[in-house]
Amino acid sequence: DQQVKQNSPSLSVQEGRISILNCDYTNSMFDYFLWYKKYPAEGPTFLISISSIKDKNEDGRFTVFLNKSAKHLSLHIVPSQPGDSAVYFCAASADTGNQFYFGTGTSLTVIP
Amino acid sequence: KAGVTQTPRYLIKTRGQQVTLSCSPISGHRSVSWYQQTPGQGLQFLFEYFSETQRNKGNFPGRFSGRQFSNSRSEMNVSTLELGDSALYLCASSIGVPSEAFFGQGTRLTVV
Repeated sequence: DQQVKQNSPSLSVQEGRISILNCDYTNSMFDYFLWYKKYPAEGPTFLISISSIKDKNEDGRFTVFLNKSAKHLSLHIVPSQPGDSAVYFCAASADTGNQFYFGTGTSLTVIP
Repeated sequence: KAGVTQTPRYLIKTRGQQVTLSCSPISGHRSVSWYQQTPGQGLQFLFEYFSETQRNKGNFPGRFSGRQFSNSRSEMNVSTLELGDSALYLCASSIGVPSEAFFGQGTRLTVV
């Protein structure tokens, strides 16, 4: 049972434009969400997080939006750069420690 | 500040054998989680240790076990290896409360 879903396996964006990666979840108990970036043969790298008391969090070019009623979060990258090309995972936890449920990832390609 | 260190990076084992993987968390981090990544299943949570106690456990058979030492270093053991255990095993450390987890580079286990 996949509690966190990333329905777009891949996304291509022109350099300088906005990349929007989406994530849906089913468990209403989730209250902490993270985005990770992953290159092949490496561990995921933490990008940005958001708790359920907020609906937006920004860090430089990265902004995460949370819509609790829709059980949906998105990651915006502006402007997109070729170095952003990687697989992006969203993850969620339910305040039971650090057990995170991961989506299956979206492969982002930023075209120069 | 040193990151999360996992050893070994690569491992080849035969069906039926057992294997032990090691993870040294970031200094000061008391929570260590283990994940299995396979192409078909994405990142699946195995278990989390906090202050030497297993705090959360994922849906994996009892062949998968772990422990944490007083210095927060953790080991994961898989007994009676099966071909399907071939995967990238990732360790993540965090400060303890639900917070961003920082991943190591992983151990690539191949069972032949």
